[in-house]
Order: sequence, then structure tokens, then C-alpha cells
Amino acid sequence: GENVEQHPSTLSVQEGDSAVIKCTYSDSASNYFPWYKQELGKGPQLIIDIRSNVGEKKDQRIAVTLNKTAKHFSLHITETQPEDSAVYFCAASRGYSTLTFGKGTMLLVSP
Amino acid sequence: GAVVSQHPSRVICKSGTSVKIECRSLDFQATTMFWYRQFPKQSLMLMATSNEGSKATYEQGVEKDKFLINHASLTLSTLTVTSAHPEDSSFYICSARGDRGGAVSYNEQFFGPGTRLTVL
Repeated sequence: GENVEQHPSTLSVQEGDSAVIKCTYSDSASNYFPWYKQELGKGPQLIIDIRSNVGEKKDQRIAVTLNKTAKHFSLHITETQPEDSAVYFCAASRGYSTLTFGKGTMLLVSP
Repeated sequence: GAVVSQHPSRVICKSGTSVKIECRSLDFQATTMFWYRQFPKQSLMLMATSNEGSKATYEQGVEKDKFLINHASLTLSTLTVTSAHPEDSSFYICSARGDRGGAVSYNEQFFGPGTRLTVL
């Protein structure tokens, strides 16, 4: 089955800096890679996703890149703000199979 | 769009009682719903997948007689924790996925806000 590794487990940045979270996956047939943001006591919120036919996708301060050859994908947050502080999860799936999640990254943005 | 609600958001019950959690897709038809369990500072653990009108598929190690799932309509799935015990205390989260012709497509899953269950 699919295995998703996520790094780092915690990330502390200063407000305004960029943050990068990386994930690797094992199943070369995986073709859908979403990123979720989870605030304390709340459910995960889909913030961006990418499909295997695209190498990069951007939405304002958030971008995701995908390297199919190396089987890794990354989340990039620019100009971080304190409200970006949360736990971020990457996930991967093949077609309509279940999502396999990484273990999460706790991002702390200090003012 | 793609809003999923859960009710209740928080529940405290006595050991031995049963608790029902509802998951609703508010603005799209969810052909498939998923139930997850999350322990503090851990990732989401998939418990079961339910498709409207059919029996749920449970992940290995999840007791189907203890965690009853019903997906009776395209907008509602319920999880009932039967004879709850303190070790069932956790954060339960549902997600919903629409069909390819609906408002959501591919494998996009949208999560509810979660239900905090505490069993005394």
C-alpha cells in the first residue's frame, strides 16, 4: 500500500518568512496530492491540491510542487502570518482510493 | 461550497452508553463518506468508508459491531459508538466526497469540524 512520509514534524518561522513542508510517497501510481490545514480542535481544511499531470500549482501565498520522478511533493507558504500557525497534513491517493496521510507538521509563526 | 457539518461537536457520556454522531454534506451529494479517528498530536486514522445505500467497509482492526455506520442518504452518514468505554474517547472526524458529476470531483474530500467524544 501507499506510504507517505512528511518532514519536518515541527517548523518555527518568523512572520514574513517562507515555510516549506515536504512529503514523499511510495506508490508511483498515486495521482492526487492534497494538503490540509488543521487548527486546534477543528477538522482539516483542504487548502490546495495537485494532480499528477501538473508540476506546480499556486494560490496566492500557497504553492505546491510535485516531482513524480522522485515521488515527492512540497507545500510552500510565503510571507507567513501568525494565522498560518496550525498543523499541516499532506496526503496521497491513487484514483478514488482512500487518502494516505502524512504524520503532520506543526507550523508556528512568531510575530 | 463543499461544506460538511458534524453534530454534536462535543459529547460527554457515561461508560456503557451509545453515542451517535451525524455527518452531513450541506451543499453537495456525497456518494462516499469516510470516518476518521484522531488522537492528540497524531495523524488521522481511517476507520471506515461508507457508500450511500451499501454496507460500510471497515479498516483492519476496527470493530464493526462497536462502530456502527449508516449512510442512508447522499447527504447524511452516522457513526454510532456502541457501549462506549473510556478508551473510545477521541476526536472523530468525517469527510465527504462527491461523485464525478457533482460539485466536487476526483478524490477531493472535505472534512467536517470533528466531534470530541469523552467517555467517563
